[in-house]
Amino acid sequence: EIVMTQTPRSLPVSPGEPASVSCTSSQSLRDSDGGHIYVDWYLQRPGESPQVLIYSLSHRASGVPDRFSGGGSVTEFTLKISRVAAEDVGLYYCMQRLEYPYTFGQGTKLE
Amino acid sequence: QVTLRETGPALVKTTQTLTVTCTFSGFSLSSAGMCVSWLRQSPGKAPEWLALIDWDGDKYYSPSLETRLTISKDPSKNQVLLTVTNVDPMDTATYYCARSSTEYKSVSGYQNYFDPWGQGILVTVSP
Repeated sequence: EIVMTQTPRSLPVSPGEPASVSCTSSQSLRDSDGGHIYVDWYLQRPGESPQVLIYSLSHRASGVPDRFSGGGSVTEFTLKISRVAAEDVGLYYCMQRLEYPYTFGQGTKLE
Repeated sequence: QVTLRETGPALVKTTQTLTVTCTFSGFSLSSAGMCVSWLRQSPGKAPEWLALIDWDGDKYYSPSLETRLTISKDPSKNQVLLTVTNVDPMDTATYYCARSSTEYKSVSGYQNYFDPWGQGILVTVSP
């Protein structure tokens, strides 16, 4: 199975400051058909279910503020928050869905 | 509005069979491209994908748990069920169901990310 590795595990940030989370995959997440890269980012706020922020490397999900952005290559991915807001506190997970079983990174706690 | 809700027992005993039910609204699992997955999250851990069933009845399982998992659907009731046999304390987790789609868009590819997730149900396995 594809292993996803996130860094850092903890990310202390002050409101208004930028933040960045990294994720690497054990193999390329680019599909052979359309060339899309199947990595997504989820946020799990305290006491809530995960919600999708970014899908297919760089596409913001509906309703996600534009301070969130995703990018990277076929094996190295980054989630960036341009200016952290109070409601951004929580656990961030990357996930690959190129092949089964879908797998998640260990998570990054933004606090 | 798409919603999903998990129901089931809060407590099961080791070696028993666990069945959790996902009841959804706002979409039909009979519609082409629709899928529902089960995931779980042990305390302090990342989510773990368990199984997926699609509109056509095709099923996919996590290889590490495949022998113990069964996913099924009842489209008439808008429900997807997950059965886990021979549970032990390592199966203690919050179990989530989530919707995905196999729709393809040229800009972003397959739309099979999880959106939305249900609220989850905490299941504890006692020794």
